[in-house]
Amino acid sequence: GAGVSQTPSNKVTEKGKYVELRCDPISGHTALYWYRQSLGQGPEFLIYFQGTGAADDSGLPNDRFFAVRPEGSVSTLKIQRTERGDSAVYLCASSERPRGPDTQYFGPGTRLTVL
Amino acid sequence: DQQVKQNSPSLSVQEGRISILNCDYTNSMFDYFLWYKKYPAEGPTFLISISSIKDKNEDGRFTVFLNKSAKHLSLHIVPSQPGDSAVYFCAASRYGQNFVFGPGTRLSVLP
Repeated sequence: GAGVSQTPSNKVTEKGKYVELRCDPISGHTALYWYRQSLGQGPEFLIYFQGTGAADDSGLPNDRFFAVRPEGSVSTLKIQRTERGDSAVYLCASSERPRGPDTQYFGPGTRLTVL
Repeated sequence: DQQVKQNSPSLSVQEGRISILNCDYTNSMFDYFLWYKKYPAEGPTFLISISSIKDKNEDGRFTVFLNKSAKHLSLHIVPSQPGDSAVYFCAASRYGQNFVFGPGTRLSVLP
């Protein structure tokens, strides 16, 4: 079956621009997570959705970062006024049950480069 | 301030031998731990977990050991196979929420 997909796979943008990163979770998965992985680091939690609502957004670094999941399926991570420090791989994961750590299925990630 | 540390950025092991990957944590409130494996250009995949009420969990060639007093866990792979070559992440949480990942260890299994 289809796994978690993320588009684009690579995104290059200029400092100050706005970007959107998309995540298509596994069909039927109600929980969706966004992580950020910088070079040489492990994934860092950003936000968790249960259905359409953001149940935990404590990992978002500042108000330039925002994520939505309007229909409880596809999610978009939005970054305004990008900065060079935002360059990282952004990973999305979904799971069938809420906060199920051993059932999180990760997508391949979107590599964001801010010039 | 890293709460989860993997002090070996890389490890090389001969095929058929045991691979031991180590992880240390600082927060004594962590009660659930996982190991993920990651191949290049793919997302991490769940490998094995352990809760703080146990000190060992085994799944086939993979065994995770937890030493709560030392705040240390380790992943043993035996026998190691070339297909095990990947980056391994240790992750820790409290109540299975807000997982904190270590920086990873790159394992190379040499044929």
